[in-house]
Amino acid sequence: EPEVTQTPSHQVTQMGQEVILRCVPISNHLYFYWYRQILGQKVEFLVSFYNNEISEKSEIFDDQFSVERPDGSNFTLKIRSTKLEDSAMYFCASSEEQPYEQYFGPGTRLTVT
Amino acid sequence: GQQVMQIPQYQHVQEGEDFTTYCNSSTTLSNIQWYKQRPGGHPVFLIQLVKSGEVKKQKRLTFQFGEAKKNSSLHITATQTTDVGTYFCAGSYNQGGKLIFGQGTELSVKP
Repeated sequence: EPEVTQTPSHQVTQMGQEVILRCVPISNHLYFYWYRQILGQKVEFLVSFYNNEISEKSEIFDDQFSVERPDGSNFTLKIRSTKLEDSAMYFCASSEEQPYEQYFGPGTRLTVT
Repeated sequence: GQQVMQIPQYQHVQEGEDFTTYCNSSTTLSNIQWYKQRPGGHPVFLIQLVKSGEVKKQKRLTFQFGEAKKNSSLHITATQTTDVGTYFCAGSYNQGGKLIFGQGTELSVKP
């Protein structure tokens, strides 16, 4: 069964450093998303992406965040200057259509020290 | 703003007992989805409800969408230890893909 993959599984970085989280969505899916989940809390929407542009973003997704689909398979989330409060699990998701079911990847645990 | 509230936060049941979690939105939803997240895992899609008053069943799981499309519930009959995890509702307010998640209900099942 096709699945969303994410790398790395765990990223440790120092405050102020840039990080790039990578995702490979399911191949025939057209809509891509990033969510985050602070430990023990709910899943929070960050951004949705379709047709090579952002379609929606949340208040969390400020100027420090950016997304890119650099080639036909990868979908990346960049945080330019990480803060302690960026520590969370970041999930990538994709869907074939909207508002269809979203398939979540296994997540990248980001730890900012 | 758009918020989805979910209760209870935790539910501890004996195996064989029933379980229900409830979601409520302050404004009308376009659709609602339910996800299950096992400890240490990622959200896994269970179901989507779109129509007012819709009821869907998956084996021991029953999902309902309220008439006003502002609330939803998930009911599990005769829980099993494999049902352990956190159940999230996630609402959408337009035809877009942005999902607003509830806080989740963590279910533990004692054998």
